[in-house]
Amino acid sequence: DAGITQSPRYKITETGRQVTLMCHQTWSHSYMFWYRQDLGHGLRLIYYSAAADITDKGEVPDGYVVSRSKTENFPLTLESATRSQTSVYFCASIAPGQKNTGELFFGEGSRLTVL
Amino acid sequence: EDKVVQSPLSLVVHEGDTVTLNCSYEVTNFRSLLWYKQEKKAPTFLFMLTSSGIEKKSGRLSSILDKKELSSILNITATQTGDSAIYLCALYTGTASKLTFGTGTRLQVTL
Repeated sequence: DAGITQSPRYKITETGRQVTLMCHQTWSHSYMFWYRQDLGHGLRLIYYSAAADITDKGEVPDGYVVSRSKTENFPLTLESATRSQTSVYFCASIAPGQKNTGELFFGEGSRLTVL
Repeated sequence: EDKVVQSPLSLVVHEGDTVTLNCSYEVTNFRSLLWYKQEKKAPTFLFMLTSSGIEKKSGRLSSILDKKELSSILNITATQTGDSAIYLCALYTGTASKLTFGTGTRLQVTL
């Protein structure tokens, strides 16, 4: 089925380790986003991408790296994980027809725990 | 930075009650305000509002935007346990297709 898939869905890692969260979409949407969701903060934008090879920082980019070599993939890397990065991470995309309205389609989320 | 504030932060009601969730914002120039429902997994789209005073309805849920008051409300009538979720409000200014989300309201409907 078409959609956004994230992997892994659950991950436990240790402080200092590198972690990559994968996001794959089958719609060929141009815009893709990474959000983190934490209690008391709602969804906060980490990075976004307007197209392949075009990425930009969101509200909370520190400690994260993204790349977008292909339209369908938008991986998020924590280069040296910290406990404060324990969170649920959502990947999302926006359809071309929704660029005027902002309706996002979300992946199922990746729950990351940093010990 | 665009700011979106939701209230209350959490709410517990009995099945059959009517609830009103609030969303207020500070940005005056935006394209749309969106409401999402989040159960255990990903947020799912409920409503998109662009014009003030026009109510959007879907079954027992309805929402309206008040641009004068810089706010929106989401009403749920005759609540059911299946309405238990986090309700998210988000503002879309059109800049780089980004959404700014509020902190959400956690609604719990009990029997």
